[in-house]
Amino acid sequence: AQRVTQPEKLLSVFKGAPVELKCNYSYSGSPELFWYVQYSRQRLQLLLRHISRESIKGFTADLNKGETSFHLKKPFAQEEDSAMYYCALSQWAGTYKYIFGTGTRLKVLA
Amino acid sequence: NAGVTQTPKFQVLKTGQSMTLQCAQDMNHEYMSWYRQDPGMGLRLIHYSVGAGITDQGEVPNGYNVSRSTTEDFPLRLLSAAPSQTSVYFCASSRTRTPGTGVHYNEQFFGPGTRLTVL
Repeated sequence: AQRVTQPEKLLSVFKGAPVELKCNYSYSGSPELFWYVQYSRQRLQLLLRHISRESIKGFTADLNKGETSFHLKKPFAQEEDSAMYYCALSQWAGTYKYIFGTGTRLKVLA
Repeated sequence: NAGVTQTPKFQVLKTGQSMTLQCAQDMNHEYMSWYRQDPGMGLRLIHYSVGAGITDQGEVPNGYNVSRSTTEDFPLRLLSAAPSQTSVYFCASSRTRTPGTGVHYNEQFFGPGTRLTVL
């Protein structure tokens, strides 16, 4: 079955330290993967998608099909990065569907 | 564009009561979905729809009904509320990806959420 796994519920780092939020997926087809972010008291919003190969707010994510991973990275964490991060996969297998991971709460400490 | 709107923002129910959470979008998106967000559980898909008249179950559909009579609206009905349904509910919408066209406009747009408490 298709699945998105985020092994860390909480990740705490100090300001200026590197950040890596892990995401692994299981999907038999060609996946489309995304990272969404939810800041405090705000709605979820798209952070980045693998197809765009872009950097948003200093974050990047590379799709590794061999390891079935899509980890989110930032070289220097900022306090404003503190939020809930969700990895998601969209699939087309007879019908269209979106699957989210359980999320990782990132806390950036001063 | 208002994007995705949800009403109400907050609701308190007693066990056994029924209610409908409203969701509307003005982006002409084919795909709409309902999630519940619980601590430690992330976002879990309740029901989804790929177009008017088409709905399907997600991961946690029990106790919830949906219908999709128009492209714009996708209400979620709680038939007989239970304390286990205390949660934050999010509605989302997106375009669907058409195989073979290379279209990737399937970013999900979320509503602001409804915080539901069942006593």
